[in-house]
Amino acid sequence: NAGVTQTPKFQVLKTGQSMTLQCAQDMNHNSMYWYRQDPGMGLRLIYYSASEGTTDKGEVPNGYNVSRLNKREFSLRLESAAPSQTSVYFCASVRGTGVYNEQFFGPGTRLTVL
Amino acid sequence: AQTVTQSQPEMSVQEAETVTLSCTYDTSENNYYLFWYKQPPSRQMILVIRQEAYKQQNATENRFSVNFQKAAKSFSLKISDSQLGDTAMYFCALTLYFQGAQKLVFGQGTRLTINP
Repeated sequence: NAGVTQTPKFQVLKTGQSMTLQCAQDMNHNSMYWYRQDPGMGLRLIYYSASEGTTDKGEVPNGYNVSRLNKREFSLRLESAAPSQTSVYFCASVRGTGVYNEQFFGPGTRLTVL
Repeated sequence: AQTVTQSQPEMSVQEAETVTLSCTYDTSENNYYLFWYKQPPSRQMILVIRQEAYKQQNATENRFSVNFQKAAKSFSLKISDSQLGDTAMYFCALTLYFQGAQKLVFGQGTRLTINP
């Protein structure tokens, strides 16, 4: 099992450009998440998908859109990138809704917006 | 609102020493877990240990143990016999059930360096 995979690993954009970050999991998990990690702020939730066909906003959704393409895949789109979106982005998944369940994380995407 | 606070941005100890990382949290929920995640330089997030809020007994995983003080809303991580491979960012996290999904709320992280 590959677990949670993300593409790309690194990306540099110019202000105003758009891009989509891809995430896939092969663990048959129901819920998937997108986080951003900034120095001194931990990981903050951007969007999540509790199950296939549903998506909801997290703590910092402005400037992002998501698509739960199927049970395996959950993408994050930046329509018009801004320097404030320079960050490391993590995708995660979890089997169910129980608070005891461990979230499994992808390797992250380092995004720089110039 | 749920919050998690890690008040030590950086810590540094010598190899084989014991180190304790602090974490406090705030929630009005009764059903929750607390986690410690490790993030080495590779960026991969790795679960270190978890604690159920209903359990008074502190969780232990080999060299890693927690001190869970529910009334004080405190959840510290103790690393015994520290090793060079323990060098990493450590995140304390609170997990809740919210609007149909599990939610993780992270602290700001503590950068731990183990010196040879």
